[in-house]
Amino acid sequence: DADVTQTPRNRITKTGKRIMLECSQTKGHDRMYWYRQDPGLGLRLIYYSFDVKDINKGEISDGYSVSRQAQAKFSLSLESAIPNQTALYFCATRSGDDTGELFFGEGSRLTVL
Amino acid sequence: AQKITQTQPGMFVQEKEAVTLDCTYDTSDQSYGLFWYKQPSSGEMIFLIYQGSYDEQNATEGRYSLNFQKARKSANLVISASQLGDSAMYFCAMREGTSGGYNKLIFGAGTRLAVHP
Repeated sequence: DADVTQTPRNRITKTGKRIMLECSQTKGHDRMYWYRQDPGLGLRLIYYSFDVKDINKGEISDGYSVSRQAQAKFSLSLESAIPNQTALYFCATRSGDDTGELFFGEGSRLTVL
Repeated sequence: AQKITQTQPGMFVQEKEAVTLDCTYDTSDQSYGLFWYKQPSSGEMIFLIYQGSYDEQNATEGRYSLNFQKARKSANLVISASQLGDSAMYFCAMREGTSGGYNKLIFGAGTRLAVHP
């Protein structure tokens, strides 16, 4: 099983619908991140959390919200999806050890029609 | 604010040759880390190599090396002896502060590498 699991892996929805992307990890890391990938723009940070009581906005948080339900779970919500939120979304975790590299989930591809 | 710039949207290289992917960064922190990730067409993000700002030697991992020029704020990835499986998107990323700190990683726009037989 993957250390960082994202569900759903693929989702097609309509404008105005509420969507939740879920992320869970078994690595025991306290730091968790949500990124969005668009062609030509790389990965942009949406939200990040260092603890269940700590939530921080990233570069592009407008239109998104998050919930850190437990150390291992970090969910991203689109309250009212719009077409320009069509993208590949990644959850990632990291520890404070060694290099502090990010460990990524497999990605959630979201299409908003 | 921290910033990562990858100026090469696309690169191609002949199999078995070396290729350099450029990355420049901007930060006012003295302590930071630089990363390269590979994203094949299947979409997953694969960690390749890391360089800490205080590391005196350039990082190497197998066929990957990081050409770290601190004064120029550049952290170029060098892939030696390219293989067809190296065809992928490559992202440079930076973390400001120490690895033990509570901080974020910022990514560049990426470079798409195509390896030709």
